Amino acid sequence: DGGITQSPKYLFRKEGQNVTLSCEQNLNHDAMYWYRQDPGQGLRLIYYSQIVNDFQKGDIAEGYSVSREKKESFPLTVTSAQKNPTAFYLCASGQGINQPQHFGDGTRLSIL
Amino acid sequence: KQEVTQIPAALSVPEGENLVLNCSFTDSAIYNLQWFRQDPGKGLTSLLLIQSSQREQTSGRLNASLDKSSGRSTLYIAASQPGDSATYLCAVLSSSGSARQLTFGSGTQLTVLP
Repeated sequence: DGGITQSPKYLFRKEGQNVTLSCEQNLNHDAMYWYRQDPGQGLRLIYYSQIVNDFQKGDIAEGYSVSREKKESFPLTVTSAQKNPTAFYLCASGQGINQPQHFGDGTRLSIL
Repeated sequence: KQEVTQIPAALSVPEGENLVLNCSFTDSAIYNLQWFRQDPGKGLTSLLLIQSSQREQTSGRLNASLDKSSGRSTLYIAASQPGDSATYLCAVLSSSGSARQLTFGSGTQLTVLP
């Protein structure tokens, strides 16, 4: 089945630690996105990539980093500079302006 | 900057009722508006996408309308079922500015009581 796979489902971060969230898609989509969702709120865009080896900051990029070395992969690193990382992180992919984005099942990140 | 508002934040209805969820946005320069469903602890599932040139889209018991000039959209759910219980999010893809990114509302949490 085509889709987006996020791993792990749950992740715990210690103080001062960087952690990396995985996102893989087999939909052959050019564009990929990372969103953050806090309780009772909508999604906010962290980073997006329209094509391999290129990515752009979204509204809340501070404390995060990404890479896009392969079309199917768009990992997100939550660095120690992100002081409030506890949230639900969603990865999405899309192809074309008038096609809906497809979402993974998310990674819930908590602080130890 | 685009802002998206959804009212109400939560809604509880008995099974079988027809219901309407509302979404408003501040900048009418959009490519499209999308409605998503989110089950607890899960990602988003696309329900309907309305392009800026369209007035409505239908899928089964769902009908979404778009009035771009007034910055409003509604999602109509006919004959609601307990399985419709979820959070419904609307999002707009703005055409102003260089970034092509979705702006989301904070959602309406729907509970359909058996």
